[in-house]
Amino acid sequence: GAVVSQHPSWVICKSGTSVKIECRSLDFQATTMFWYRQFPKQSLMLMATSNEGSKATYEQGVEKDKFLINHASLTLSTLTVTSAHPEDSSFYICSARGPPDAEAFFGQGTRLTVV
Amino acid sequence: QKEVEQNSGPLSVPEGAIASLNCTYSDRVSQSFFWYRQYSGKSPELIMSIYSNGDKEDGRFTAQLNKASQYVSLLIRDSQPSDSATYLCAVNSGRDDKIIFGKGTRLHILP
Repeated sequence: GAVVSQHPSWVICKSGTSVKIECRSLDFQATTMFWYRQFPKQSLMLMATSNEGSKATYEQGVEKDKFLINHASLTLSTLTVTSAHPEDSSFYICSARGPPDAEAFFGQGTRLTVV
Repeated sequence: QKEVEQNSGPLSVPEGAIASLNCTYSDRVSQSFFWYRQYSGKSPELIMSIYSNGDKEDGRFTAQLNKASQYVSLLIRDSQPSDSATYLCAVNSGRDDKIIFGKGTRLHILP
């Protein structure tokens, strides 16, 4: 399958700071990228959908000013968690998809711990 | 009505037996369907994609799609302990950009 690379794999940051997570499609052009959050033993929760060159579409209840998403190219999307707090500690996962009906491939995920 | 429904499990299957995982979806206009496997603490990985009614086989895995019944299934033959994971059914929404995931079925293969 196609390769999606997500960095960093884990990050620890202080409360009040911002953290940027990168998601890259290495061998295909990702028209659409998705960002998820997953708490322990819970299911995936979609945070936002982004199309290259467009503003991200956020799911209900997800603060767009806190979770900044940029999808400036067909191979790169970034999620910035601004003014992070301990309750933002979670497993953040991106996925990328080419054509609209195609499958999406996931990055390795980023485990964020805010102390 | 939930858009993609799966039994949460756990589903316990003896090693070497066939594991059968089921999924129903609500949106009739959906055209593409996927099964992902997620190990604890890891991100999901794609196992199978299926687009047409009928069966699709890949190694020990067979995906089955019945659009009239809005039903997708995954069969795992000769189950191995390494198949123990959560299996996620996913459906491309026919109405927007999203891929809709079920909450997953936990599968436990008994050695």
